[in-house]
Amino acid sequence: QLVLTQSPSASASLGASVKLTCTLSSGHSSYAIAWHQQHPEKGPRYLMNVKRDGTYTKGDGVPDRFSGSSSGAERHLTISSLQSEDEADYYCQTWGTGIRVFGGGTKLTVL
Amino acid sequence: EVQLVESGGGLVQPGGSLRLSCAVSGFTFSNYLMSWVRQAPGKGLEWVANIDQDGNEKLYVGSVMGRFTVSRDNAKNSLFLHMNSLTAEDTAVYYCARESSAPLTRAFDIWGQGTAVTVSS
Repeated sequence: QLVLTQSPSASASLGASVKLTCTLSSGHSSYAIAWHQQHPEKGPRYLMNVKRDGTYTKGDGVPDRFSGSSSGAERHLTISSLQSEDEADYYCQTWGTGIRVFGGGTKLTVL
Repeated sequence: EVQLVESGGGLVQPGGSLRLSCAVSGFTFSNYLMSWVRQAPGKGLEWVANIDQDGNEKLYVGSVMGRFTVSRDNAKNSLFLHMNSLTAEDTAVYYCARESSAPLTRAFDIWGQGTAVTVSS
């Protein structure tokens, strides 16, 4: 079964960096994923697509502070030079034959 | 400007029906797969359904199969979600989303602002 696992919460200080992780279920470690950002009471925003080899493609207007990487079944979103507006929920998403799947989301708090 | 604008949400009684619409602008609608995604209050995102470019192939999450129908009108740049036999568990904000056309990618790369559906007596 295709499942994405995310930690429910993360925190980091203003100006620091944070690395969020999305883990693919067993047997699906080759899958690419996408990262989305959602501020309270707003629709999600597509950030990037991260492939198995760690290459990533960002959406239009996504700041350079956002980057992606991969390690085995893990797909990462790194945000550097954290700003207050980065405080949001972050969801990973993947796809398979006949299915689209989201992780449970990580709530990022900027201290 | 690329834009997805949902409408049609509201309060409906259990067992009732509702039709959501998503008006698309700023890109060639007929070239893209489209999806509906929902978010229950305080919960995460849940994919609901998608439809291919021609409207011939449709996929649904198990919990809505047989109750919801996704459709599209490429001439009117519009996506629809017909919802029947609604229950409290269908209460959510419903988003339409475009699926990327990049090779081997089905990321949702454009999102609407959502329309809220509340199922309650």
